[in-house]
Amino acid sequence: QKEVEQDPGPLSVPEGAIVSLNCTYSNSAFQYFMWYRQYSRKGPELLMYTYSSGNKEDGRFTAQVDKSSKYISLFIRDSQPSDSATYLCAMSAKPWEYGNKLVFGAGTILRVKS
Amino acid sequence: DVKVTQSSRYLVKRTGEKVFLECVQDMDHENMFWYRQDPGLGLRLIYFSYDVKMKEKGDIPEGYSVSREKKERFSLILESASTNQTSMYLCASSRRDRGYEQYFGPGTRLTVT
Repeated sequence: QKEVEQDPGPLSVPEGAIVSLNCTYSNSAFQYFMWYRQYSRKGPELLMYTYSSGNKEDGRFTAQVDKSSKYISLFIRDSQPSDSATYLCAMSAKPWEYGNKLVFGAGTILRVKS
Repeated sequence: DVKVTQSSRYLVKRTGEKVFLECVQDMDHENMFWYRQDPGLGLRLIYFSYDVKMKEKGDIPEGYSVSREKKERFSLILESASTNQTSMYLCASSRRDRGYEQYFGPGTRLTVT
């Protein structure tokens, strides 16, 4: 079993829809949770970062962590065609020392149609 | 604008060849990473380095080695390329105290025939 599971999609939605992207994980030691966005032919870039449980909002994006269920989500409100990308969740157990490793999900392909 | 650059976007090599992939960052970051990205498997860490001349094995180091002689440069070496090393290779860097915020290069698509 993979440490981090993520549905690869593709997920196709109309412009303006609310998008929900999810990851589940098995390692209860994970405390740091990230969402990266990767456009075609580019490297991933950090979108959201949360520590432990709870919600974090940044514009149209909301990251949610439920440690009791080992489940994290990224919500995108009023989705735009420019949101079309692959979204990767990433997690870590340790604080940031000496190049701490991140464990990535496989990524979900999102397509927003205009 | 912060930047991580990789030496090639596309590379085609033959089985058994020695392959060098080079990564340069201009952000004075302490940490540097090499990943490979394959469909359905996501990003898998090959090696990382938290300082000059320091290296740590990631999850899939077999068949690879690395070199970090200068802070800004991190090289990935395939000693004897094999077809199962055909993949997208991504380099990343981060500050020591912000390891969650990794900056990635555009990737090198390596094909081994």
